[in-house]
Amino acid sequence: DVKVTQSSRYLVKRTGEKVFLECVQDMDHENMFWYRQDPGLGLRLIYFSYDVKMKEKGDIPEGYSVSREKKERFSLILESASTNQTSMYLCASSLSFSGLGRQKDTQYFGPGTRLTVL
Amino acid sequence: SQKIEQNSEALNIQEGKTATLTCNYTNYSPAYLQWYRQDPGRGPVFLLLIRENEKEKRKERLKVTFDTTLKQSLFHITASQPADSATYLCALRNTGGFKTIFGAGTRLFVKA
Repeated sequence: DVKVTQSSRYLVKRTGEKVFLECVQDMDHENMFWYRQDPGLGLRLIYFSYDVKMKEKGDIPEGYSVSREKKERFSLILESASTNQTSMYLCASSLSFSGLGRQKDTQYFGPGTRLTVL
Repeated sequence: SQKIEQNSEALNIQEGKTATLTCNYTNYSPAYLQWYRQDPGRGPVFLLLIRENEKEKRKERLKVTFDTTLKQSLFHITASQPADSATYLCALRNTGGFKTIFGAGTRLFVKA
Protein backbone atom coordinates (compact mmCIF):
# COMPACT_ATOMS: atom_id res chain seq x y z
CA ASP A 1 0.00 0.00 0.00
CA VAL A 2 1.07 3.55 -0.69
CA LYS A 3 2.03 5.42 2.40
CA VAL A 4 2.15 9.18 2.61
CA THR A 5 3.31 10.59 5.91
CA GLN A 6 3.31 14.14 7.19
CA SER A 7 5.68 15.40 9.83
CA SER A 8 3.09 16.65 12.31
CA ARG A 9 -0.61 16.04 12.95
CA TYR A 10 -1.05 19.27 14.91
CA LEU A 11 1.06 22.41 14.89
CA VAL A 12 0.67 25.75 16.66
CA LYS A 13 2.78 28.68 15.51
CA ARG A 14 2.90 32.41 16.06
CA THR A 15 2.31 35.10 13.47
CA GLY A 16 5.50 35.89 11.56
CA GLU A 17 7.19 32.55 12.22
CA LYS A 18 8.63 30.50 9.39
CA VAL A 19 6.85 27.15 9.23
CA PHE A 20 7.99 23.94 7.55
CA LEU A 21 5.58 21.12 6.74
CA GLU A 22 7.19 17.92 5.53
CA CYS A 23 5.67 15.15 3.44
CA VAL A 24 7.21 11.81 2.53
CA GLN A 25 5.84 9.10 0.23
CA ASP A 26 7.24 5.61 -0.12
CA MET A 27 5.95 4.48 -3.52
CA ASP A 28 8.28 6.25 -5.93
CA HIS A 29 5.53 8.55 -7.19
CA GLU A 30 6.52 11.29 -9.60
CA ASN A 31 3.85 13.78 -8.57
CA MET A 32 3.37 15.38 -5.20
CA PHE A 33 0.83 17.99 -4.10
CA TRP A 34 0.09 20.34 -1.25
CA TYR A 35 -3.52 21.33 -0.54
CA ARG A 36 -5.23 23.25 2.17
CA GLN A 37 -8.73 22.36 3.26
CA ASP A 38 -11.12 24.80 4.86
CA PRO A 39 -14.78 24.25 5.78
CA GLY A 40 -17.07 24.85 2.82
CA LEU A 41 -14.19 25.51 0.44
CA GLY A 42 -12.98 22.02 -0.25
CA LEU A 43 -9.43 21.19 -1.17
CA ARG A 44 -7.47 24.01 -2.76
CA LEU A 45 -4.20 23.32 -4.51
CA ILE A 46 -1.25 25.35 -3.25
CA TYR A 47 1.65 23.85 -5.22
CA PHE A 48 2.49 20.65 -7.00
CA SER A 49 5.64 19.02 -8.25
CA TYR A 50 5.98 16.53 -11.11
CA ASP A 51 9.67 15.80 -10.64
CA VAL A 52 12.59 16.50 -8.36
CA LYS A 53 13.38 20.22 -8.22
CA MET A 54 10.33 20.97 -10.38
CA LYS A 55 7.35 22.88 -9.02
CA GLU A 56 4.21 24.50 -10.33
CA LYS A 57 1.91 27.00 -8.67
CA GLY A 58 -1.56 25.86 -7.87
CA ASP A 59 -4.58 28.05 -7.23
CA ILE A 60 -3.43 29.73 -4.02
CA PRO A 61 0.39 29.90 -3.88
CA GLU A 62 0.66 33.33 -2.24
CA GLY A 63 2.46 33.20 1.08
CA TYR A 64 3.82 29.70 0.44
CA SER A 65 6.85 28.14 -1.16
CA VAL A 66 7.86 24.53 -1.71
CA SER A 67 10.96 22.43 -2.02
CA ARG A 68 11.53 19.03 -3.62
CA GLU A 69 15.15 17.99 -3.36
CA LYS A 70 14.43 14.25 -3.31
CA LYS A 71 11.74 12.31 -5.12
CA GLU A 72 10.10 11.04 -1.94
CA ARG A 73 9.99 14.33 -0.04
CA PHE A 74 7.98 17.49 -0.68
CA SER A 75 8.14 20.37 1.76
CA LEU A 76 5.74 23.26 2.17
CA ILE A 77 7.13 26.46 3.65
CA LEU A 78 5.17 29.33 5.11
CA GLU A 79 7.67 32.16 4.90
CA SER A 80 5.93 34.33 7.50
CA ALA A 81 2.89 32.66 8.98
CA SER A 82 -0.31 34.65 9.25
CA THR A 83 -3.60 33.90 11.00
CA ASN A 84 -5.38 33.39 7.67
CA GLN A 85 -3.09 30.42 7.05
CA THR A 86 -4.71 28.53 9.90
CA SER A 87 -6.02 25.46 8.12
CA MET A 88 -5.74 21.73 7.52
CA TYR A 89 -2.84 21.02 5.17
CA LEU A 90 -2.91 17.85 3.12
CA CYS A 91 -0.11 16.34 1.10
CA ALA A 92 -0.79 13.87 -1.72
CA SER A 93 1.14 11.91 -4.32
CA SER A 94 0.32 10.18 -7.59
CA LEU A 95 2.20 8.16 -10.16
CA SER A 96 2.28 10.48 -13.15
CA PHE A 97 0.27 12.70 -15.44
CA SER A 98 0.24 9.80 -17.80
CA GLY A 99 -2.75 10.50 -19.94
CA LEU A 100 -6.44 10.81 -19.66
CA GLY A 101 -8.58 8.62 -17.48
CA ARG A 102 -5.76 6.54 -16.15
CA GLN A 103 -5.88 5.03 -12.69
CA LYS A 104 -2.34 6.33 -12.22
CA ASP A 105 -3.79 9.76 -11.60
CA THR A 106 -5.36 8.62 -8.36
CA GLN A 107 -4.02 10.69 -5.51
CA TYR A 108 -2.93 9.19 -2.22
CA PHE A 109 -3.21 11.52 0.73
CA GLY A 110 -1.37 11.85 3.98
CA PRO A 111 -3.21 12.20 7.29
CA GLY A 112 -3.03 15.99 7.26
CA THR A 113 -1.48 18.64 9.49
CA ARG A 114 -3.82 20.92 11.36
CA LEU A 115 -1.95 24.21 11.63
CA THR A 116 -3.06 26.98 13.96
CA VAL A 117 -1.40 30.37 13.66
CA LEU A 118 -1.92 32.61 16.68
CA SER B 1 -17.05 30.42 -14.20
CA GLN B 2 -15.97 26.87 -13.48
CA LYS B 3 -17.60 25.14 -10.55
CA ILE B 4 -17.85 21.73 -9.03
CA GLU B 5 -20.69 21.48 -6.55
CA GLN B 6 -21.79 18.99 -3.95
CA ASN B 7 -24.69 19.33 -1.59
CA SER B 8 -23.37 21.18 1.42
CA GLU B 9 -26.16 19.89 3.62
CA ALA B 10 -25.47 16.67 5.44
CA LEU B 11 -27.34 13.58 4.33
CA ASN B 12 -28.96 11.56 7.10
CA ILE B 13 -30.24 8.08 6.28
CA GLN B 14 -31.24 4.93 8.10
CA GLU B 15 -29.05 1.87 8.12
CA GLY B 16 -29.86 -0.50 5.27
CA LYS B 17 -31.09 2.23 2.92
CA THR B 18 -29.33 3.47 -0.19
CA ALA B 19 -27.44 6.73 0.11
CA THR B 20 -27.22 8.86 -3.02
CA LEU B 21 -24.80 11.77 -3.26
CA THR B 22 -24.68 14.26 -6.11
CA CYS B 23 -21.81 16.03 -7.85
CA ASN B 24 -22.56 18.69 -10.46
CA TYR B 25 -20.05 20.60 -12.51
CA THR B 26 -20.13 23.67 -14.71
CA ASN B 27 -17.80 24.70 -17.53
CA TYR B 28 -15.57 21.65 -17.29
CA SER B 29 -15.05 18.85 -19.76
CA PRO B 30 -13.91 16.10 -17.42
CA ALA B 31 -11.73 13.33 -18.68
CA TYR B 32 -12.89 11.45 -15.59
CA LEU B 33 -14.46 11.82 -12.19
CA GLN B 34 -13.23 10.35 -8.94
CA TRP B 35 -14.90 9.83 -5.59
CA TYR B 36 -13.02 9.93 -2.31
CA ARG B 37 -14.00 9.23 1.26
CA GLN B 38 -12.73 11.40 4.10
CA ASP B 39 -13.09 10.65 7.78
CA PRO B 40 -12.81 13.46 10.37
CA GLY B 41 -9.22 14.54 10.89
CA ARG B 42 -7.94 12.29 8.09
CA GLY B 43 -6.87 12.65 4.49
CA PRO B 44 -9.21 11.59 1.66
CA VAL B 45 -9.07 8.00 0.47
CA PHE B 46 -9.75 7.08 -3.16
CA LEU B 47 -12.85 4.98 -3.82
CA LEU B 48 -13.79 4.92 -7.50
CA LEU B 49 -12.90 6.48 -10.83
CA ILE B 50 -15.28 6.72 -13.81
CA ARG B 51 -14.19 7.84 -17.26
CA GLU B 52 -16.10 10.14 -19.58
CA ASN B 53 -17.07 7.27 -21.87
CA GLU B 54 -18.42 5.15 -19.00
CA LYS B 55 -21.98 5.43 -17.77
CA GLU B 56 -21.69 3.39 -14.61
CA LYS B 57 -19.06 1.81 -12.37
CA ARG B 58 -19.53 -0.56 -9.46
CA LYS B 59 -17.38 -1.73 -6.60
CA GLU B 60 -18.98 -3.90 -3.94
CA ARG B 61 -21.77 -1.76 -2.40
CA LEU B 62 -20.69 1.36 -4.27
CA LYS B 63 -22.01 2.56 -7.61
CA VAL B 64 -21.07 5.67 -9.55
CA THR B 65 -22.84 7.08 -12.59
CA PHE B 66 -21.60 9.77 -14.93
CA ASP B 67 -23.89 11.79 -17.19
CA THR B 68 -21.92 14.23 -19.37
CA THR B 69 -25.15 15.67 -20.77
CA LEU B 70 -26.48 16.58 -17.33
CA LYS B 71 -22.92 17.35 -16.17
CA GLN B 72 -23.51 15.24 -13.12
CA SER B 73 -22.18 12.24 -11.25
CA LEU B 74 -24.19 10.27 -8.71
CA PHE B 75 -22.57 8.18 -5.99
CA HIS B 76 -24.65 5.42 -4.40
CA ILE B 77 -23.99 3.32 -1.34
CA THR B 78 -26.40 0.41 -1.11
CA ALA B 79 -27.28 -1.35 2.15
CA SER B 80 -25.64 1.50 4.03
CA GLN B 81 -24.02 0.92 7.42
CA PRO B 82 -23.06 3.29 10.25
CA ALA B 83 -19.43 2.70 9.26
CA ASP B 84 -20.19 4.42 5.96
CA SER B 85 -20.63 7.71 7.83
CA ALA B 86 -18.02 10.09 6.45
CA THR B 87 -17.58 13.00 4.05
CA TYR B 88 -17.53 12.06 0.39
CA LEU B 89 -15.66 14.21 -2.10
CA CYS B 90 -15.98 14.20 -5.84
CA ALA B 91 -13.07 15.30 -7.98
CA LEU B 92 -12.52 15.79 -11.68
CA ARG B 93 -9.65 16.22 -14.04
CA ASN B 94 -10.38 18.46 -16.96
CA THR B 95 -9.49 17.22 -20.42
CA GLY B 96 -5.99 18.44 -21.24
CA GLY B 97 -5.41 19.67 -17.70
CA PHE B 98 -3.02 18.61 -14.98
CA LYS B 99 -4.91 19.59 -11.89
CA THR B 100 -7.53 17.59 -10.07
CA ILE B 101 -10.35 19.81 -8.87
CA PHE B 102 -12.19 18.75 -5.73
CA GLY B 103 -15.68 19.50 -4.57
CA ALA B 104 -16.25 20.60 -0.98
CA GLY B 105 -17.81 17.27 -0.06
CA THR B 106 -21.06 16.01 1.38
CA ARG B 107 -21.26 14.65 4.91
CA LEU B 108 -23.16 11.37 5.23
CA PHE B 109 -24.58 10.11 8.51
CA VAL B 110 -25.97 6.59 8.64
CA LYS B 111 -28.08 5.89 11.72
CA ALA B 112 -28.35 2.43 13.24
